[in-house]
Amino acid sequence: DIQMTQSPSTLSASVGDRVTITCRASQSISRWLAWYQQKPGTAPKLLLSKASTLESGVPSRFSGSGSGTEFTLTISSLQPDDFATYYCQQYNSYPFTFGPGTKVDIK
Amino acid sequence: EVQLVESGGNLVQPGESLRLSCAASGFTFSSYSMNWVRQAPGKGLEWVSYISSSRSSTIYYADSVKGRFTISRDDAKNSLYLQMNSLRAEDTAVYYCARNPTGIFGIPRYYFDYWGQGSLVTVSS
Repeated sequence: DIQMTQSPSTLSASVGDRVTITCRASQSISRWLAWYQQKPGTAPKLLLSKASTLESGVPSRFSGSGSGTEFTLTISSLQPDDFATYYCQQYNSYPFTFGPGTKVDIK
Repeated sequence: EVQLVESGGNLVQPGESLRLSCAASGFTFSSYSMNWVRQAPGKGLEWVSYISSSRSSTIYYADSVKGRFTISRDDAKNSLYLQMNSLRAEDTAVYYCARNPTGIFGIPRYYFDYWGQGSLVTVSS
C-alpha cells in the first residue's frame, strides 16, 4: 500500500499569510494526487486533482504542485474561510489512501 | 445539482450488523463509480470500499473491512449500499458516500468530487 504523510500536522497562520502544506507518498504516484478541505462537522470538499488542477469554483489563491513523491498545496493569501483541515489523497493505485491531515488554525 | 444523502447510521453492539444507504440525485448514477469513505471521531479520512459503474463489475475493499463489509448498488433506485457485518468498536465513524468523477471515455478517476453529509455509526456495548 502507498503511505501518505503530510507536514506540518498543524499550522498556525494569520489572514493574509502565504501557507504551504507538503504531502509525500511512499512511492511514486506520478501526478495522481488530490487535495481536500474539511471544516468541522462537514464533508470534505475537493480543491485540486492531478496535483495542480483547480476544481471549478475553488478560489485561485489555492494552487498545487509536485509529482512523483512530493507535492505541495499553497494558499497564496490566507482568508478567514480557509481555516480548516487539509488532506491529500493518492489515486495512483488501490487502496486509495489519504494523508493524516494538516490543520490550519488562527495564529 | 448533485446530491448524495446517507442514511442508516445507528448505535449497535459489537458483532452486530448494519446497512447504510446513500441516495443519489442530480446526475446519471449508473454511469459513475462510487465509494464509501469513513472518518473516526477526531481522526482522518479512510477509504473503505469502491464499486464500479454497472458497465464493469469491479469492487474493492480496504483490508480493515474485507470479509465483513459488502458494497452494492441499485441503479434503478439510484442508491448505494454498505452492508456491515461483525461490527467492531474500531468501525465507529462517520461514513460518507463519495462519487468518482469520470475522465476520457468514461474511465473513472479515483478521487472524490462529491460527498454526502455522512452517517454516524457507533459500535459500543
